[in-house]
Amino acid sequence: AQSVAQPEDQVNVAEGNPLTVKCTYSVSGNPYLFWYVQYPNRGLQFLLKYITGDNLVKGSYGFEAEFNKSQTSFHLKKPSALVSDSALYFCAVSTTGRRALTFGSGTRLQVQP
Amino acid sequence: SQTIHQWPATLVQPVGSPLSLECTVEGTSNPNLYWYRQAAGRGLQLLFYSVGIGQISSEVPQNLSASRPQDRQFILSSKKLLLSDSGFYLCAWSVLAGGLGELFFGEGSRLTVL
Repeated sequence: AQSVAQPEDQVNVAEGNPLTVKCTYSVSGNPYLFWYVQYPNRGLQFLLKYITGDNLVKGSYGFEAEFNKSQTSFHLKKPSALVSDSALYFCAVSTTGRRALTFGSGTRLQVQP
Repeated sequence: SQTIHQWPATLVQPVGSPLSLECTVEGTSNPNLYWYRQAAGRGLQLLFYSVGIGQISSEVPQNLSASRPQDRQFILSSKKLLLSDSGFYLCAWSVLAGGLGELFFGEGSRLTVL
């Protein structure tokens, strides 16, 4: 089985400050890890993914994520938050032989001006 | 470029009525297609998965069914809706199978069952 945990329902950060949205995963094989963002009443948009290679992955809108195998984590980060980054963020995982992604419960990011 | 369309965007249906949500993908061939449900604006639950015409995998036994009558068309149906079927339904497609590739989502269909 595969699963994803996003331990924080909501993260609040001031505009201009760095942000981190946490994600840990569990799979019985090599993980394929993804981050998506969802704005109100919209579909999800792909931000970035880790399949193999460098542990630091860069994605859209200045976001990046660091794969940590020993901690089974894939935290999303951004050096300087924007108010427009406020949205719902989902971490997802899959692995070889799995048919589809398993999503976490989501973390709401609120960036205050 | 590839696009994905879902309709209707919103739907209010009485308990016991039928349901049909449609999803089409343009600009690609033989996509992997998915139906997810999002309850209460949070986590996503995979409902159905399809790798080709007529090939449907169900992840969770429930009141819903899916069909893929054409390569780029994916339909979610129910014969009799339940209150618990209310939610935000998302169609998605990917190029790579098995969760290797990123998913591209439609704009969603919000279903309210009264």
